[in-house]
Amino acid sequence: QKEVEQDPGPLSVPEGAIVSLNCTYSNSAFQYFMWYRQYSRKGPELLMYTYSSGNKEDGRFTAQVDKSSKYISLFIRDSQPSDSATYLCAMSSGLTGTASKLTFGTGTRLQVTL
Amino acid sequence: DTEVTQTPKHLVMGMTNKKSLKCEQHMGHRAMYWYKQKAKKPPELMFVYSYEKLSINESVPSRFSPECPNSSLLNLHLHALQPEDSALYLCASSLRTSGPNNEQFFGPGTRLTVL
Repeated sequence: QKEVEQDPGPLSVPEGAIVSLNCTYSNSAFQYFMWYRQYSRKGPELLMYTYSSGNKEDGRFTAQVDKSSKYISLFIRDSQPSDSATYLCAMSSGLTGTASKLTFGTGTRLQVTL
Repeated sequence: DTEVTQTPKHLVMGMTNKKSLKCEQHMGHRAMYWYKQKAKKPPELMFVYSYEKLSINESVPSRFSPECPNSSLLNLHLHALQPEDSALYLCASSLRTSGPNNEQFFGPGTRLTVL
């Protein structure tokens, strides 16, 4: 079983829809959670960074963390064609010696159609 | 300035060539990373530098040789690569390696093709 599970998609939604992207994890040591957006043949772009359970909002994006269920989500409101990309969840324990390592999900490919 | 820059954007090299990839950040970050990413896969960690010292080497073959000349620069020297080393090479940096503020910021990558 992988430490981080993420549905690879592809996920296709119409423009304006609310998108829900999810990751589950098995390692209870993970304390820091990130969502990256990666366009084809480009580097990952950090969208959200959280380290506590609950919600964090930034514009059209909301990151949700439920440490008791080992489940994180990214919601995108009013989705746009420019949101079409691969979304990677990543997490780390934040402990000295292992903190540098991010464990990534496999990425979910999102397609927002007109 | 919240940017990590990488040069070159594209690189084609033969198996006998020696080349270098360069990464730069001016965010005052003290940790820098090299990742390798194959198509449709997440990035794989190769090396971590913390305060200009190599702290993690993920059992990377010696044909990849990292160097951190100062806190803003990170190089990856390539020699005698194999075609299977063709990939997107990503550099990242973070303010810290532990605790809060350890989120990593990635550069645009160097697309490497080994013939």
